Amino acid sequence: GAVVSQHPSRVICKSGTSVKIECRSLDFQATTMFWYRQFPKQSLMLMATSNEGSKATYEQGVEKDKFLINHASLTLSTLTVTSAHPEDSSFYICSFFLGTTQETQYFGPGTRLLVL
Amino acid sequence: GESVGLHLPTLSVQEGDNSIINCAYSNSASDYFIWYKQESGKGPQFIIDIRSNMDKRQGQRVTVLLNKTVKHLSLQIAATQPGDSAVYFCAENIQSGGSYIPTFGRGTSLIVHP
Repeated sequence: GAVVSQHPSRVICKSGTSVKIECRSLDFQATTMFWYRQFPKQSLMLMATSNEGSKATYEQGVEKDKFLINHASLTLSTLTVTSAHPEDSSFYICSFFLGTTQETQYFGPGTRLLVL
Repeated sequence: GESVGLHLPTLSVQEGDNSIINCAYSNSASDYFIWYKQESGKGPQFIIDIRSNMDKRQGQRVTVLLNKTVKHLSLQIAATQPGDSAVYFCAENIQSGGSYIPTFGRGTSLIVHP
């Protein structure tokens, strides 16, 4: 199956700093991708949808100025958590969408963010 | 939407038993459904999908049943193995433009005892 990588896999940062998470598709190109956030023992919550070269569409309640998404190419998207606070501590997962076929989305392995 | 904020329900089974995991979805316009398996600390992994024009689909050791009347999905795992222990999510998809927008259910934690 298709491979998606995320970097870093874990990050600990101080409150007030910014953290960038990279999401790469290693063997395919896709125009649409999603960023999710998952708190412990909870479901994945869609944060935003982005199309390559366009501005991301954020879900209700997700601050676009706090969670900056850059989808600069068909294989790379970044999520920057700006001025991180402890409540931003979560598991962030990206996925690439290939279309209306089987295995529609390919998920990254996730990034665990801990803000102290 | 789904019960965000509540802890995951848990299903405990013995190795070799069949498991049935249920999911209720909310939007009658959803026309594509996917079951995912998520192991601890990892991203979701595709298991099986089904479109709304079907009511049953079978894969290897897994079967998905769709009841559109009551907006209910189930995932049946035959001869459950310890390696099946994970959290299972259903996702309903609504088509928007050329893409499908997914909404994940609350998930069920499956624990398989050897």
